[in-house]
Amino acid sequence: NAGVMQNPRHLVRRRGQEARLRCSPMKGHSHVYWYRQLPEEGLKFMVYLQKENIIDESGMPKERFSAEFPKEGPSILRIQQVVRGDSAAYFCASSPQQGMGNQPQHFGDGTRLSIL
Amino acid sequence: QQQVKQSPQSLIVQKGGISIINCAYENTAFDYFPWYQQFPGKGPALLIAIRPDVSEKKEGRFTISFNKSAKQFSLHIMDSQPGDSATYFCAANDGNQFYFGTGTSLTVIP
Repeated sequence: NAGVMQNPRHLVRRRGQEARLRCSPMKGHSHVYWYRQLPEEGLKFMVYLQKENIIDESGMPKERFSAEFPKEGPSILRIQQVVRGDSAAYFCASSPQQGMGNQPQHFGDGTRLSIL
Repeated sequence: QQQVKQSPQSLIVQKGGISIINCAYENTAFDYFPWYQQFPGKGPALLIAIRPDVSEKKEGRFTISFNKSAKQFSLHIMDSQPGDSATYFCAANDGNQFYFGTGTSLTVIP
């Protein structure tokens, strides 16, 4: 499968724990985007990264949330001290270049995060 | 503030009918308008996309109609099939971010 790979598919955490979500972009893609989706809602942009750089994190909460895309390995979305309101589906998308014009984003199948 | 407004929220269509989903926007900087299809438990998959210099784009049974002056665009699914039952999202890109509509849940009745 050469698509965007996200793991785990499901993650259960208790309030106060840390959640780590991983995303491996499509082969040849160097741009990664993270989105959050709540039931009955669209996708909300969180952060846009290139290798070793955060390009736009305007959609990500300033506290408890962080993201990285190291030179080697997958992109990581990290949520510290999780709260019930963090329960959602988190999707990662990748593109070969910045997602503009005719450069569509390809999505993974998401991580469903549940906070007990 | 919702940058892209999508309607209806849900839609039920008979097999063989036409499904129409509408989206509207305000930001004239948007220059790329894709539609995504999402099945339960899966990520969104790109269906069809259009740029504002074109008024219509057709791919198989799927057509995008684009009205630049009205800042509206719509997805038409001709000869709708039960396998088309899914959630559809419109989106718009300003050269940096993608902004998504809230989705339309389509059910095609056999």
